[in-house]
Amino acid sequence: DGGITQSPKYLFRKEGQNVTLSCEQNLNHDAMYWYRQDPGQGLRLIYYSQIVNDFQKGDIAEGYSVSREKKESFPLTVTSAQKNPTAFYLCASNRLAANTGELFFGEGSRLTVL
Amino acid sequence: QKEVEQNSGPLSVPEGAIASLNCTYSDRVSQSFFWYRQYSGKSPELIMSIYSNGDKEDGRFTAQLNKASQYVSLLIRDSQPSDSATYLCAVNKAGDDKIIFGKGTRLHILP
Repeated sequence: DGGITQSPKYLFRKEGQNVTLSCEQNLNHDAMYWYRQDPGQGLRLIYYSQIVNDFQKGDIAEGYSVSREKKESFPLTVTSAQKNPTAFYLCASNRLAANTGELFFGEGSRLTVL
Repeated sequence: QKEVEQNSGPLSVPEGAIASLNCTYSDRVSQSFFWYRQYSGKSPELIMSIYSNGDKEDGRFTAQLNKASQYVSLLIRDSQPSDSATYLCAVNKAGDDKIIFGKGTRLHILP
């Protein structure tokens, strides 16, 4: 079955540690996105990528980094520079030929900083 | 003014009634509009998209768009307990890669 796989689903981190969240898709989608969701909040865009080896900052990119070495993969690193990293992280994708608003989401990764 | 605004709720609706969810947006050049449903602890899923003024129906769901008033709504007919979720409104502009989400409205269907 085609879809988006995020791992891990739950992650605990000590302050000062970097962590990397995995996102893999087998939908052959061109564009991939990372969003952050806090309780009672909407989705805020961290980074997005429309093509391999290229990505753009979203609205809250500070303290995060990404790479897009393969079409299928778009990992997100939460660095120690991110001041408040505890959140629900969502990866999404869509076909560029389609409207960019029709997103397919992974199941999410819940990061807790201890 | 926030780019996409929704009443956070909760909106309580009796089972079998019509649930009406509203969303306003600030950028007049917005061209595409989406409704996502998100169950607690889960990821969002797209349930409706609308691109032109008027109504678009899909089963029990109807999306309504009024670009002059910068207003988009979602009607859910014959509400079921399984419709209890948070509904996110999303908007994007032509030629813009970003999709802007509202904070969502929590809907509770009363059995």
